[in-house]
Amino acid sequence: EDQVTQSPEALRLQEGESSSLNCSYTVSGLRGLFWYRQDPGKGPEFLFTLYSAGEEKEKERLKATLTKKESFLHITAPKPEDSATYLCAVAWQGGSEKLVFGKGTKLTVNP
Amino acid sequence: DAGVIQSPRHEVTEMGQEVTLRCKPISGHNSLFWYRQTMMRGLELLIYFNNNVPIDDSGMPEDRFSAKMPNASFSTLKIQPSEPRDSAVYFCASSFVGLNTEAFFGQGTRLTVV
Repeated sequence: EDQVTQSPEALRLQEGESSSLNCSYTVSGLRGLFWYRQDPGKGPEFLFTLYSAGEEKEKERLKATLTKKESFLHITAPKPEDSATYLCAVAWQGGSEKLVFGKGTKLTVNP
Repeated sequence: DAGVIQSPRHEVTEMGQEVTLRCKPISGHNSLFWYRQTMMRGLELLIYFNNNVPIDDSGMPEDRFSAKMPNASFSTLKIQPSEPRDSAVYFCASSFVGLNTEAFFGQGTRLTVV
């Protein structure tokens, strides 16, 4: 069973069409949930860390939220430059410091 | 700071050859990670160093893979002998303290074994 599952695998939006990406996790004792953005041919770029249920963080058009079993990355009025793959990762107690990634959501925003 | 620097950016090698990937972490960071990314399996953690000491290498696929960190500013990942199934993008990342703080990734090395 995957410890981190992201959905959908791919998402196409029109510019200005808001939506949300989902990251669900099965680990216990969450120490942190991380969101990254990855552009083609580049390494993942850090966006947010969330530590506890109810926490929210914002950056420009992105807002990340966390519950006890999942996180959402809300994209408000996206622009074409928001097109990328968005990765979610978790670290948990007893996980020997592993940061386990989901397979990502590929977002395409059409002008 | 120039960020995490990896070399080479691309490597094409023949099956059976030795491959060495290199990484220079961000100055001042005390943790270094090697990841492998494929379409099928996504990003997988291979090995994690803290203060130059390997802490968890349970993600290293087999004995053909080895990693070293001789000092705080340099690490290598070696594959010997290489196989076609090792073809992937290999990322190095570094952070300060540990995994509860954000890790910064390099640009990756795209390895193709033919």
